[in-house]
Amino acid sequence: KNQVEQSPQSLIILEGKNCTLQCNYTVSPFSNLRWYKQDTGRGPVSLTIMTFSENTKSNGRYTATLDADTKQSSLHITASQLSDSASYICVVIPNPNSGYALNFGKGTSLLVTP
Amino acid sequence: DSGVTQTPKHLITATGQRVTLRCSPRSGDLSVYWYQQSLDQGLQFLIQYYNGEERAKGNILERFSAQQFPDLHSELNLSSLELGDSALYFCASSTTLGSFGDTQYFGPGTRLTVL
Repeated sequence: KNQVEQSPQSLIILEGKNCTLQCNYTVSPFSNLRWYKQDTGRGPVSLTIMTFSENTKSNGRYTATLDADTKQSSLHITASQLSDSASYICVVIPNPNSGYALNFGKGTSLLVTP
Repeated sequence: DSGVTQTPKHLITATGQRVTLRCSPRSGDLSVYWYQQSLDQGLQFLIQYYNGEERAKGNILERFSAQQFPDLHSELNLSSLELGDSALYFCASSTTLGSFGDTQYFGPGTRLTVL
């Protein structure tokens, strides 16, 4: 069973609207949680990195939140643009003492339409 | 452009064959990571090298091997290829050993098709 579950699997929104992507994980303990943006056919690009003690991290119109108690993270995109159309991947990095079994979500595919 | 280069961009080969994928990290980066991305499995971490030495292993098959050379470029060797090995293979680099705590910069990937 995947230890990182992302929802929704896909999402279509109108340009200019906001949206929130969810990531639920069971990995424990963990070192940090990351969100990546991946355009079709290209390598992932890091958006945010949060340690377990951080609650929120922003990168322009992208804001990630983390609730370590409920083991949930979200990525909020504000005032969406057509260029936000991509797959967004949540990655949970375990505590190094637990090994290097990186835990990737399968991603949320976002389509922003005019 | 992340500064990480990968060659070739596309590779088509037959089952049972062996291929080598090449990665050049960003200037100054000592860590190189290899990932496999298939449609049904998503991204999976394969292996990490740091300054020429293997540092961490993920879900890498025994048919696969990698190395990092003194000039820090890395190669991923895939042998006895099977249809299921068809995937995008990404290389990423980072400045430090990281324990995955630092930002990784991904290359454009090599698309491998096994027929």
